[in-house]
Amino acid sequence: AQKITQTQPGMFVQEKEAVTLDCTYDTSDQSYGLFWYKQPSSGEMIFLIYQGSYDEQNATEGRYSLNFQKARKSANLVISASQLGDSAMYFCAMRAYNNAGNMLTFGGGTRLMVKP
Amino acid sequence: DAGVIQSPRHEVTEMGQEVTLRCKPISGHNSLFWYRQTMMRGLELLIYFNNNVPIDDSGMPEDRFSAKMPNASFSTLKIQPSEPRDSAVYFCASSPGTGIFDGYTFGSGTRLTVV
Repeated sequence: AQKITQTQPGMFVQEKEAVTLDCTYDTSDQSYGLFWYKQPSSGEMIFLIYQGSYDEQNATEGRYSLNFQKARKSANLVISASQLGDSAMYFCAMRAYNNAGNMLTFGGGTRLMVKP
Repeated sequence: DAGVIQSPRHEVTEMGQEVTLRCKPISGHNSLFWYRQTMMRGLELLIYFNNNVPIDDSGMPEDRFSAKMPNASFSTLKIQPSEPRDSAVYFCASSPGTGIFDGYTFGSGTRLTVV
């Protein structure tokens, strides 16, 4: 079975500083994809960044980067130069070919609050 | 593309009433998912369709919940009769396929309040 763990229920960061949101995963599969989603207070779920298990380079999308450490089974999200608009819930998720549905499995989320 | 479209955005209903939530996935997406989100339980997968066929409905809480996907462009989630504990945000999401690189695109959600 797949499992995603986000150990930080809530975090504060000062505006303009960088912040790392932790995500560890558990799977026996060799092929899998890792995703991060942002959910602002308005409620919608916004896709941020993707990392494939065979990708050798860490994924980057603008101010978002994914610190992928395969041996440690971690896929931490790094947000550089935090902005007030980054305040939101962040969900880590994984998809693997290990069951009939190979659905996305979500972590419990981390609430990030950016201080001015 | 208009994205995944859900309706209504908000629904307030009385206990015992039937509630129908609607979803239009992104054209060309073969997979559709219904999720429920609450503070206590987080994101819960209710049911998953692939090519309009229900693949996994093990997350449907009880017989009061039912979901259909009569065609590739429309799905409904019905609760009958509704109860206050059904109050939550219900998300529909679609995905191009079942690959490990296929992420989900979520709709804006339906906030259901059962009083």
